[in-house]
Amino acid sequence: EAQVTQNPRYLITVTGKKLTVTCSQNMNHEYMSWYRQDPGLGLRQIYYSMNVEVTDKGDVPEGYKVSRKEKRNFPLILESPSPNQTSLYFCASSWVPRGQGGGNEQFFGPGTRLTVL
Amino acid sequence: AQSVAQPEDQVNVAEGNPLTVKCTYSVSGNPYLFWYVQYPNRGLQFLLKYITGDNLVKGSYGFEAEFNKSQTSFHLKKPSALVSDSALYFCAVRDSGAGSYQLTFGKGTKLSVIP
Repeated sequence: EAQVTQNPRYLITVTGKKLTVTCSQNMNHEYMSWYRQDPGLGLRQIYYSMNVEVTDKGDVPEGYKVSRKEKRNFPLILESPSPNQTSLYFCASSWVPRGQGGGNEQFFGPGTRLTVL
Repeated sequence: AQSVAQPEDQVNVAEGNPLTVKCTYSVSGNPYLFWYVQYPNRGLQFLLKYITGDNLVKGSYGFEAEFNKSQTSFHLKKPSALVSDSALYFCAVRDSGAGSYQLTFGKGTKLSVIP
């Protein structure tokens, strides 16, 4: 089954304790992205990656790191989490379109609900 | 910069009635437009997209959307609402001329279909 998986699904942690949220896709997609969803703000992009070893900042990258060492995995790292990073996080992936075919939809993971105390 | 606006936080409609969820966008080039749906405690699911061609786009679960370039809108519609359509709906846009692959999402519209 084609899917994007995230782990853990739920996480409660304390301020300053480093954590990693994993994301993996089995569709051989080049593009992967992390979003956070907050009430009244919709989805905001944190980081994205166009391919292995190629990452770039989204709209709200502060306090986050990512890496893309393998095509299927795109972990999100919070080196020193703070309470304002309490949120619902989604990983997504898609093909990178060629030429004018720019409309490839993104496939989303089930989400990770993070609480930072 | 690209942006999306969903002017209604919530839309209520009676079961069996037609529904519309509104979306307007702003891009410098040509838009690629998407609708996604989020059911409670689930990730986002793709509904439909507009890339080019026919302004009326048909998608999953009987939904359709109409692209209107002059009004920069991409409203989501369904002729007859079901209770099971109750969910959070997101419109998203990508600027074809932006040189990046970044999607910008609206803030979401909560649709409640009343039995």
